[in-house]
Amino acid sequence: IAGITQAPTSQILAAGRRMTLRCTQDMRHNAMYWYRQDLGLGLRLIHYSNTAGTTGKGEVPDGYSVSRANTDDFPLTLASAVPSQTSVYFCASSDRLDSYNEQFFGPGTRLTVL
Amino acid sequence: GQNIDQPTEMTATEGAIVQINCTYQTSGFNGLFWYQQHAGEAPTFLSYNVLDGLEEKGRFSSFLSRSKGYSYLLLKELQMKDSASYLCAAMDSNYQLIWGAGTKLIIKP
Repeated sequence: IAGITQAPTSQILAAGRRMTLRCTQDMRHNAMYWYRQDLGLGLRLIHYSNTAGTTGKGEVPDGYSVSRANTDDFPLTLASAVPSQTSVYFCASSDRLDSYNEQFFGPGTRLTVL
Repeated sequence: GQNIDQPTEMTATEGAIVQINCTYQTSGFNGLFWYQQHAGEAPTFLSYNVLDGLEEKGRFSSFLSRSKGYSYLLLKELQMKDSASYLCAAMDSNYQLIWGAGTKLIIKP
């Protein structure tokens, strides 16, 4: 693994289903983030984690949950998907949360909820 | 509220120079980032400014004026591969990035 990987690459999901988007980084970064990107809007932060064992809410956390059991993995779960969650989801990581830090992005997951 | 404004789309000619502007309003300020995003790909880091002035990095330069809440990205000697969206993001007092919607840059031969 080099950098950040996300899985799946794309997914079509029926409304009401549960879905977990996976994210793994091998850079030993402390901070990780989940964003969604919608046409005409900027990236919006869903949840973040500044170190293993801690998580925080971003701008649009409703309907999503995350966990950070270890440094490398940061899965995002949609408990009961709704069509408004159709989006491209990017996972990112950075060395630290609380200072200048370049964020490195995964390739994204394109999710369609029908 | 927090807000980032940048033009939706710009067109330029191969070999020319283009300036992409960004204005921002955030709760606190810890720097201004520019990212490049090719269609269907992830954003990649271009530049970071926290002090007023111009930072030059090869064909790309970024400028910041904190008093005006203004930044620009300057691309010189444009190449076809520069066709992409350019995302402006300001870091707020909580060290979270507030993102603009991006400027789609179209390069014509």
